[in-house]
Amino acid sequence: AQSVTQLGSHVSVSEGALVLLRCNYSSSVPPYLFWYVQYPNQGLQLLLKYTSAATLVKGINGFEAEFKKSETSFHLTKPSAHMSDAAEYFCAVTPSGAGSYQLTFGKGTKLSVIP
Amino acid sequence: DTGVSQNPRHKITKRGQNVTFRCDPISEHNRLYWYRQTLGQGPEFLTYFQNEAQLEKSRLLSDRFSAERPKGSFSTLEIQRTEQGDSAMYLCASAARDIPYEQYFGPGTRLTVT
Repeated sequence: AQSVTQLGSHVSVSEGALVLLRCNYSSSVPPYLFWYVQYPNQGLQLLLKYTSAATLVKGINGFEAEFKKSETSFHLTKPSAHMSDAAEYFCAVTPSGAGSYQLTFGKGTKLSVIP
Repeated sequence: DTGVSQNPRHKITKRGQNVTFRCDPISEHNRLYWYRQTLGQGPEFLTYFQNEAQLEKSRLLSDRFSAERPKGSFSTLEIQRTEQGDSAMYLCASAARDIPYEQYFGPGTRLTVT
């Protein structure tokens, strides 16, 4: 079974400041991990993914995340926040290997960017 | 490639009515997923198709819910005898055969049951 915990339902940062969104996962098998972003009244857009290659993965819009097996974490970071980053962010996990690859999501973190 | 499309985008219905949603996946994506997202929560898996075969269903998918993908292209999700608890965003996603774990989501259908 898989689960995802996102610490902080709401995070506020100033424009230009570091963005750090936390994600911890639980998985009985090696996981694939994802970050998605959702803007109001829209679907989810894939930001980046970890699929057992490099542990530091880079995504779109300057975001990156590091897979840390020992800490069961996959935190999302961006060096400098932009107003357009204000959105809700979801971390998701699925078991690696064959299967349905159904995603298990966290509850999301809403990011606000203060001008 | 126009992305995953869903129709309608919004649906308001009265309790007890039946509703049907449609999802058109990205062309040639053989995998199709339905998720449900309620306010303040992340999406929850409902069901999964590979081509026209429905291979997995969540316990969330009660007997009032049925999904089809008759020709392995578009899919429909029907809810019979809607209840207020069915109010949610229904999201569809698709994935390609060669990258099956990378799901692309549509804009969703927001259902409000009054």
